[in-house]
Amino acid sequence: GAVVSQHPSWVICKSGTSVKIECRSLDFQATTMFWYRQFPKQSLMLMATSNEGSKATYEQGVEKDKFLINHASLTLSTLTVTSAHPEDSSFYICSARPGQGAGDYGYTFGSGTRLTVV
Amino acid sequence: AQTVTQSQPEMSVQEAETVTLSCTYDTSESNYYLFWYKQPPSRQMILVIRQEAYKQQNATENRFSVNFQKAAKSFSLKISDSQLGDTAMYFCALRHYNQGGKLIFGQGTELSVKP
Repeated sequence: GAVVSQHPSWVICKSGTSVKIECRSLDFQATTMFWYRQFPKQSLMLMATSNEGSKATYEQGVEKDKFLINHASLTLSTLTVTSAHPEDSSFYICSARPGQGAGDYGYTFGSGTRLTVV
Repeated sequence: AQTVTQSQPEMSVQEAETVTLSCTYDTSESNYYLFWYKQPPSRQMILVIRQEAYKQQNATENRFSVNFQKAAKSFSLKISDSQLGDTAMYFCALRHYNQGGKLIFGQGTELSVKP
């Protein structure tokens, strides 16, 4: 089945530094990647949608300069949290939508990244 | 506005028994998908079951089945013969055929299966 590999699974960084999270689709081409943020015992909040080769579309209230998304290829999307602060600590999850004809059903999720900013 | 509502924050069930999780949604579109996702303690999101709105027949996947009431905009999940491994957060989600393919999630229901 479709697999999305997300790395790192957890990261601790110092306040003011930047952190990059990668999501790779291992056996399919992901034309669209969705990035979510999740607080404990809460639902997934969509941050942005990225399409391969174009700029990401951010949800209202999400700072595009803080959360940089790059989707340079059909198998890789990255989220960079720039100048991280403790309030950015959260669980980040990616989800990949396959290209047309590849079974456009429920999307495949990465295993998530727990970010702690100290 | 498109919304998904899960009115049961927490539920518990005895092992081997049946439990039903509720979900209602609101949309003005006629073409959409509905999903139930499971998020166990590992926090990996797992697709449990999906339903296409144009299909009247309720979807079934082994011990999991749905009761899809389109007119009432209701999409409940029934888990039969509950197992300890079913303990997880369950999210109901809506996706329109168009509109960029975004998933709209409900608030989640935390299900505990007790031995």
